[in-house]
Amino acid sequence: GEDVEQSLFLSVREGDSSVINCTYTDSSSTYLYWYKQEPGAGLQLLTYIFSNMDMKQDQRLTVLLNKKDKHLSLRIADTQTGDSAIYFCAEMDNAGNMLTFGGGTRLMVKP
Amino acid sequence: DAGVIQSPRHEVTEMGQEVTLRCKPISGHDYLFWYRQTMMRGLELLIYFNNNVPIDDSGMPEDRFSAKMPNASFSTLKIQPSEPRDSAVYFCASSFPSLGRGTEAFFGQGTRLTVV
Repeated sequence: GEDVEQSLFLSVREGDSSVINCTYTDSSSTYLYWYKQEPGAGLQLLTYIFSNMDMKQDQRLTVLLNKKDKHLSLRIADTQTGDSAIYFCAEMDNAGNMLTFGGGTRLMVKP
Repeated sequence: DAGVIQSPRHEVTEMGQEVTLRCKPISGHDYLFWYRQTMMRGLELLIYFNNNVPIDDSGMPEDRFSAKMPNASFSTLKIQPSEPRDSAVYFCASSFPSLGRGTEAFFGQGTRLTVV
């Protein structure tokens, strides 16, 4: 079955870059996503990448996809304290209906 | 659109009581998902609907859990009887698969359930 895995925790200093990693198992996934969850709130879509792309950049966010290794990463440049949150990666099933989420990585940004 | 609306935001109930969580999806979305989030197990998909029909309920933990979607604008998740281990944040999400973006799920604010 599908499985999406992430490390639990990452701590960085303000101004540094953060890199959050994710591995997935469904090689037929067509879209992969990064969601952000702030305290007391639901998940919000940050960015997504189509599986035929290697990289996508969106302002401070860079998504890298290694389809061969089934590895997805999210890089946040110039990390700010407001970036402190839980980040979830997710893959979409090949029917295009259901998202499978990783367990989430809690990012803590120290001033 | 106000987004996905869940109610109540917080629920505290005694063990053995029935709990009903409610969700109003975004108008026009034809998929609705119920998730449960705990520290121990992270985010788990419980059940999802397409056009009001349950498609996959394999994530529902046991028979005490049931979900319905009587129409396109309303869904409920019921726990009867509730147990302390059901304490979690329950999220409802809705989506509409769109060309070029796959499926973006929009989440409600969640219902924090505490069973004492």
